[in-house]
Amino acid sequence: EAGVAQSPRYKIIEKRQSVAFWCNPISGHATLYWYQQILGQGPKLLIQFQNNGVVDDSQLPKDRFSAERLKGVDSTLKIQPAKLEDSAVYLCASSGTGGREQFFGPGTRLTVL
Amino acid sequence: QKEVEQNSGPLSVPEGAIASLNCTYSDRGSQSFFWYRQYSGKSPELIMFIYSNGDKEDGRFTAQLNKASQYVSLLIRDSQPSDSATYLCAAFTSGTYKYIFGTGTRLKVLA
Repeated sequence: EAGVAQSPRYKIIEKRQSVAFWCNPISGHATLYWYQQILGQGPKLLIQFQNNGVVDDSQLPKDRFSAERLKGVDSTLKIQPAKLEDSAVYLCASSGTGGREQFFGPGTRLTVL
Repeated sequence: QKEVEQNSGPLSVPEGAIASLNCTYSDRGSQSFFWYRQYSGKSPELIMFIYSNGDKEDGRFTAQLNKASQYVSLLIRDSQPSDSATYLCAAFTSGTYKYIFGTGTRLKVLA
């Protein structure tokens, strides 16, 4: 079974630029999560999808972050414009019916200069 | 704001000792609890989960849950240097499929 795929693995941008991350969950997993993990902290949920609908985006900074999951499979997370404090690892995870275990992708390490 | 709290550490134990990692949670609606291990620069990987009060054992790992006290722990027996990592506790609510993570405890096993 293929795992959760993410790209790119690393990205360096300057502040005020835009960036997009892509995630392909495990086949058949209905729930998809985007987390932001700042160095030394636990993952913080940004947005949660159930199929292609948003379940929770209460911690997503909507003035600069957006996410979509078209057709209930792949998802993209965009930041526009980026700020220095957005430097973090962005983790995508998915889980199947009934929730329980989440499977994490390798993450995208974003550095904003 | 519902929270999961962990001591950030580092927790240092000698090789072969028992490492005890603790976690408390604030949402009584949380039903399942997960322990993830995260090596530096890597993604979290699941070690085990527990949803019933009491103990659950899997190899060298034992998870303990006390819902009345809102307390979860992870014991690692015969700790090895390869166990050195950050351990994340997460609480899961089945109604919303939402996980809330703690900040993690950094464990160092000294050879």
